[in-house]
Amino acid sequence: EVQLVESGGGLVQPGGSLRLSCAASGFTFSGSSMNWVRQAPGKGLEWVSYVSSGSAAKFFADSVKGRFTISRDNAKNSLYLQMNSLRAEDTAVYYCARGGGSGRSPFDYWGQGTLVTVSS
Amino acid sequence: EIVVTQSPGTLSLSAGERATLSCRASQSVSSNFLAWYQQKPGQAPRLLIYGASSRATGIPDRFSGSGSGTDFTLTISRLEPEDFAVYYCQQYGSSPFTFGPGTKVDIK
Repeated sequence: EVQLVESGGGLVQPGGSLRLSCAASGFTFSGSSMNWVRQAPGKGLEWVSYVSSGSAAKFFADSVKGRFTISRDNAKNSLYLQMNSLRAEDTAVYYCARGGGSGRSPFDYWGQGTLVTVSS
Repeated sequence: EIVVTQSPGTLSLSAGERATLSCRASQSVSSNFLAWYQQKPGQAPRLLIYGASSRATGIPDRFSGSGSGTDFTLTISRLEPEDFAVYYCQQYGSSPFTFGPGTKVDIK
């Protein structure tokens, strides 16, 4: 059974940093691209970042470019999102979502999300 | 960036009725890399349709997708009580992999 479990969310002050993790199991993690998607309270889905299976390709939404970095450790079946210079508008539930083996794949499995609140 | 819009914002229907949801992209979506997701309150999104018209694993055949280029449609042939939810379309053909704002299907 495919499982994605996010962790690392919490309350952080504006300008602060946070690192999210996503633990994957039940599939060949090293063969799948991965994504982060966020959802502000009461709002729609916003794609945040993508990393290819081998980390050669990484993409970011303009809203987080230069502030967030994405990484993965295939030996640990884990995905990460380092978030720096956090703003109030980064407050959201952050989901990790599996893509396929290629860069152009739908997000077929999602975690349950971790809440990040940016507030003083 | 491909901007994705959806209409209507809210669709009020009764169980057993047919639902037709629209999704439009500002540019042609390459190779019809267009997906539909369902999200219920407090839950993560679930993939319904990919490649504009292919059902994901385990999705009932009352859900169907169609369209190409810039105009796409999700049809639910007969609404079941568990289908009342928010539906998002997404293009995943080019970064940024943009989502539409969603269509809420609620009970009339």
